[in-house]
Amino acid sequence: QKEVEQNSGPLSVPEGAIASLNCTYSDRVSQSFFWYRQYSGKSPELIMSIYSNGDKEDGRFTAQLNKASQYVSLLIRDSQPSDSATYLCAVIAGYSSASKIIFGSGTRLSIRP
Amino acid sequence: EPEVTQTPSHQVTQMGQEVILRCVPISNHLYFYWYRQILGQKVEFLVSFYNNEISEKSEIFDDQFSVERPDGSNFTLKIRSTKLEDSAMYFCASSSSGIAGETQYFGPGTRLLVL
Repeated sequence: QKEVEQNSGPLSVPEGAIASLNCTYSDRVSQSFFWYRQYSGKSPELIMSIYSNGDKEDGRFTAQLNKASQYVSLLIRDSQPSDSATYLCAVIAGYSSASKIIFGSGTRLSIRP
Repeated sequence: EPEVTQTPSHQVTQMGQEVILRCVPISNHLYFYWYRQILGQKVEFLVSFYNNEISEKSEIFDDQFSVERPDGSNFTLKIRSTKLEDSAMYFCASSSSGIAGETQYFGPGTRLLVL
């Protein structure tokens, strides 16, 4: 069974600080990794995708991937109250077309003013 | 910006009734997906669809479920005889290609409540 594990939180971070979210995955052949943000009652919204080992930066967000450790993380710099949401780590394992996304259960992030 | 749309936003039905959830994927996308999220739980894959046939389906997607692309724009999920445990948020997604890792764009979801 392919699994994606996240700490459910809540993770409370003061406004302006760095929020660090972590995720591990079980399937070594996983190739594609995503972070989605989900507000309560809403659909997942893509924040970042990463495919290669190392860091990928996009604005205030940095995704980090370590395939040897089967570990993905997301850093949010200068955290804002609007960043308060559940962050879903997601993985696509296969090379085949129409590959399914396997989601973690999400980490609830709360940015306190 | 193009987006995936879903109707209805909310659906309430009686156990045993049939429901059809509708999705309009992004217009130039070729790969379509349904996911569901039971309240407080993970987003779970149900089925993927390409070239008018199912590419992959999960254990959840049993004989009570079916998908169809009845015309050039709509993509539907039918639940033939709903059960209480089918109550969930159902998300449609689409992607432009089947390359592994291609971004899947999610619709706003349909909240299904089975009584």
